[in-house]
Amino acid sequence: DSGVTQTPKHLITATGQRVTLRCSPRSGDLSVYWYQQSLDQGLQFLIQYYNGEERAKGNILERFSAQQFPDLHSELNLSSLELGDSALYFCASSVGTSGVYNEQFFGPGTRLTVL
Amino acid sequence: AQTVTQSQPEMSVQEAETVTLSCTYDTSESNYYLFWYKQPPSRQMILVIRQEAYKQQNATENRFSVNFQKAAKSFSLKISDSQLGDTAMYFCAFMNGGGSQGNLIFGKGTKLSVKP
Repeated sequence: DSGVTQTPKHLITATGQRVTLRCSPRSGDLSVYWYQQSLDQGLQFLIQYYNGEERAKGNILERFSAQQFPDLHSELNLSSLELGDSALYFCASSVGTSGVYNEQFFGPGTRLTVL
Repeated sequence: AQTVTQSQPEMSVQEAETVTLSCTYDTSESNYYLFWYKQPPSRQMILVIRQEAYKQQNATENRFSVNFQKAAKSFSLKISDSQLGDTAMYFCAFMNGGGSQGNLIFGKGTKLSVKP
C-alpha cells in the first residue's frame, strides 16, 4: 500500500458525460501528479499540482481539468467524454517538486470505461 | 523534449535465469534521474530501482541492477535469479532533476514473462 488513495476504482459512463476522479496523497506530500495509461498512448503525464497551485502541464486535453484543494486532495475532471478517453488514470504524490529527488508514490488507479 | 525508448515489447525468461531489459533515452539535460517501474497484473506501479545521472556507480537493489551508460544514453535493467513474481510490465522512466517540474516520462514498456 503506497498510502495514496484513489476513488472510484472503476467508472463506467457514456460518451458526452462528465466524471470526476479523486486522489488523496500520502500524509505530508504536497505534490500531486496525474497520469493516463491507455493502450495506444502508453503512460502519459497529464498535470502536476504543488501545494494547491498548478506546477506543470503535460499532454492534457482542454476537456480535462484538475485542481488541488486546501486539504491537498486533488480532483481530475473529464468532460465531453469520448471513447478514446477510456484508460487507467493514476495519481501519484511526492513530498516536494523538483530540484531534489522526491520519490513519487502511485495510487491504485481509476479504471475509466467510456461506452 | 526528453524521450524514452524501450525497444523490446515482450520478453520471456526461465525461472532462476537472468534477463536484461533495454532502455535508451534522449535529453540535453545534465541533471536527471532514471527509473525502472514494475506493473504487475494488479496494475499497481511499483518503483524497482533508481539511478541518479551524476552517480557513476550503477544502482543495485537485491536481484535488480542497472547498467547505466551516460554517454550512450542507455539504461538497462538486469534481473538475476528470475522469479515467477517478476512477471509484469516494466517501464523505464526519466525525470528532469532541475527546473520546476518533477513529472516522469515513461517508455512504452516491456512485458516480461517468467516461465516455470
